[in-house]
This record gives sequence, structure tokens and C-alpha cells, in this order.
Amino acid sequence: HLQLQESGPRLVKPSETLSLTCTVSGGSINSQSYYWGWIRQPPGKGLEWIGTIFYNGITYYNPSLKSRVTISVDTSKNHFSLKLNSVTAADTAVYYCARQTNDYGPNWFDPWGQGTLVTVSS
Amino acid sequence: SYVLTQPPSVSVAPGKTARITCGGNNIGGKSVHWHQQKPGQAPVLVIYRDSDRPSGIPERFSGSYSGNTATLTISGVEAGDEADYYCQVWDRSSYHVVFGGGTKLTVL
Repeated sequence: HLQLQESGPRLVKPSETLSLTCTVSGGSINSQSYYWGWIRQPPGKGLEWIGTIFYNGITYYNPSLKSRVTISVDTSKNHFSLKLNSVTAADTAVYYCARQTNDYGPNWFDPWGQGTLVTVSS
Repeated sequence: SYVLTQPPSVSVAPGKTARITCGGNNIGGKSVHWHQQKPGQAPVLVIYRDSDRPSGIPERFSGSYSGNTATLTISGVEAGDEADYYCQVWDRSSYHVVFGGGTKLTVL
């Protein structure tokens, strides 16, 4: 039974870097069958895809965030990470990590982590 | 960039059928997935690859598409189905994941 857990600072100052890690348990991140994604949801709003990574480091990013985002993977620790730099209040959101099934590319998200609320404020 | 359009809200009486649409250009050429999100909870996949149901999802949930519209159908709606529903695709032409804006299902 695969589980994903987000971890990292819940409060980030404006202009600084938001850093989160998603730890995968109950399965290996080192698989050609899956990709691994980050999604966020500002309070009261819809889901926004941030980016996706494959076990070998191939990444895909939302073009609206691409200049500020880095997603990396550490197969030895069975986790993947998100860095979002130069944050503003608009980056305040619940951040989710999720597994994506490789079906001719990174397709559906399942399962999702429980999510973590990150607030950008001084 | 690719856009998925959903109605902001759908209302249905208990026991009736709810249909939530997701419009997109040539959506029939893409694999559409649906996620259910109840208040304060993480999303849960309810339909993948247009019409497949993950294990544990009731048969009341089904997916289909026609023309430029994909539809999530919930038969015999129950109070516990009240949630936000999001459609999602992988756009192979741009290498991007796209979510619809979400539809709030209200059970009257």
C-alpha cells in the first residue's frame, strides 16, 4: 500500500525559497512504471500542476512556474523534492505530491499525499 | 496552452444522476482522468483513462466522452458524493499536465 508524505517548512518569507520533500513508502520510486508529481491548491481555489519527475531525473514543468521551480529525485532515499524560489503571497497554498502512472507519459495521479499548507508571510 | 473547461457547479437530488462535463479541444484524442476532493481532504482518483474505475470506487461512477466533451456520471447520487470534481489530462503535444477548473457537486 503506497503512501506519500510531504514535509518541509510551513512558513516561508517573501522572496525566499520554498522547499518540500515527498517521502514514498510502501513502494520504490525507482520504477519505469511511474512518474512523481507536485500539485498545489491556493485556499479556496482549484488544483494547479507544478511539475513532474521520472526516476531518471527527466522533468516536466508548468510553464507559468518553470522559471522558479526545480524538482529533483533521490532514489537512494526514496523521495523527491520541490524547490520554488522568489516566493510571494500568491504562492501560499496546500502543496500535494502524488504518483503518476506512466501510460505513454505521466498520466493519472494516484495516490495523493495528504498535502501540506505552506504560507508565505513575513 | 491546452485548456479544460468545467461548469463551476452542478446540483442534483439524492438518488438522481449527476453529469459533470469537461470540455477541451480534441479531448477525445487524450486520456481523461477524474479526481474527487471532499472538503479538507486530498483528492482521490475516481476515473482514469476516460472510463476505468480504480479498485474501491463504486460502480455508480462512470466516465465517457463525446465530441469535445468528457463526462463524469454519478448514478444514484448520495449525500457522501458532495465534493469538488476535477478533470485532468496529460497533453502530449506540450508535455504538460492540465487540470480543469473544478466543479462543485451539491446534493440537494
